[in-house]
Amino acid sequence: AQTVTQSQPEMSVQEAETVTLSCTYDTSESNYYLFWYKQPPSRQMILVIRQEAYKQQNATENRFSVNFQKAAKSFSLKISDSQLGDTAMYFCAFISSGAGSYQLTFGKGTKLSVIP
Amino acid sequence: NAGVTQTPKFRILKIGQSMTLQCTQDMNHNYMYWYRQDPGMGLKLIYYSVGAGITDKGEVPNGYNVSRSTTEDFPLRLELAAPSQTSVYFCASTRQTQETQYFGPGTRLLVL
Repeated sequence: AQTVTQSQPEMSVQEAETVTLSCTYDTSESNYYLFWYKQPPSRQMILVIRQEAYKQQNATENRFSVNFQKAAKSFSLKISDSQLGDTAMYFCAFISSGAGSYQLTFGKGTKLSVIP
Repeated sequence: NAGVTQTPKFRILKIGQSMTLQCTQDMNHNYMYWYRQDPGMGLKLIYYSVGAGITDKGEVPNGYNVSRSTTEDFPLRLELAAPSQTSVYFCASTRQTQETQYFGPGTRLLVL
């Protein structure tokens, strides 16, 4: 079974600074997909970024980028120019690309606070 | 475009009562999911469906039931509520399993 580990339960960053959230995963699969989801205080789960394991290039989405290290099974999220609206829980998630794979496995989350 | 909607937003149940959490999506997605989120934890999959008429258990199905009679609707049934079912419940849908899941706003359930 796949597992996803987020080793930082809580983090804080000053507004306009950069912060990196860590995620590691365990799998024997060679092809899979990784996600970062954001959950602000409103509780709404929102996709931040998605990475396909067979793609070497790291995904980016405006101020959000990932550092995907396939051999190390690491998938960290970098937030640049942090804004107050980035305050949220961030969840890393994994799904295999194999046939019959339906379940998204989530980490326990990192609570990020952006300080004015 | 409403996306994924859930009702109710909040509910208090007494032990032993039953209720149905409603979930509807208007994106014509085949795949739908029910998760629960306990404090300080990630989301755990309760049940999922790959299309109308087809459902299967996830990681934590005990105490719950689902049905999927249409593409749009995926209700979650709690038959005999227990305090351990106090949680926030999320419904989600996706077009393909490896694509983005779209989540509803959640239902907060308190069992006393």
